[in-house]
Amino acid sequence: AQSVTQLDSQVPVFEEAPVELRCNYSSSVSVYLFWYVQYPNQGLQLLLKYLSGSTLVKGINGFEAEFNKSQTSFHLRKPSVHISDTAEYFCAVSGTNRDDKIIFGKGTRLHILP
Amino acid sequence: GAVVSQHPSWVICKSGTSVKIECRSLDFQATTMFWYRQFPKQSLMLMATSNEGSKATYEQGVEKDKFLINHASLTLSTLTVTSAHPEDSSFYICSAPPMKGGNEQFFGPGTRLTVL
Repeated sequence: AQSVTQLDSQVPVFEEAPVELRCNYSSSVSVYLFWYVQYPNQGLQLLLKYLSGSTLVKGINGFEAEFNKSQTSFHLRKPSVHISDTAEYFCAVSGTNRDDKIIFGKGTRLHILP
Repeated sequence: GAVVSQHPSWVICKSGTSVKIECRSLDFQATTMFWYRQFPKQSLMLMATSNEGSKATYEQGVEKDKFLINHASLTLSTLTVTSAHPEDSSFYICSAPPMKGGNEQFFGPGTRLTVL
């Protein structure tokens, strides 16, 4: 079984400042890792995913994440945030089989301060 | 990317009634679909795994007689909330991994259920 821990429930950051949203996972088998964003009253949008290969993954909207197997982490970063990045961000993990279920972290609310 | 739709997008019903939510994969087939529930300001919690042609698999603590799941075809899964109560009010989201192609799951836009 897998689990995901998002260490921060809320992260305030000034506009144009860099941000890192932390995510740690636990699993006894190989995993796929994901970051999703959810804007208010909307569904989920995939930001990026790690399946294999390069540990640095680039996603949409200028976000990137680095898979660190030794630290079991998959932190999300953006060098300069914009007010439109205000949203809830979910880290998620699944096994590597096609039909494996995705387990979500509790989410981190990103507050962009003017 | 592949598209998953849900219908309705929102529904309001009286306590004690049943509500059916549909999840459709529009341009791919899926033998498995997943149903999640998200309470306000909380994360997505997996409720059950819907399997085409067989019974759904429910997560611990989810009442299978209350949340009926039918995976009628390779493009349609339905979730019926029976005898709904106000505590069932939530955002219900489905997802599906395509039978063919990559390992990404595609999420529907969600259905907001409000039980009065």
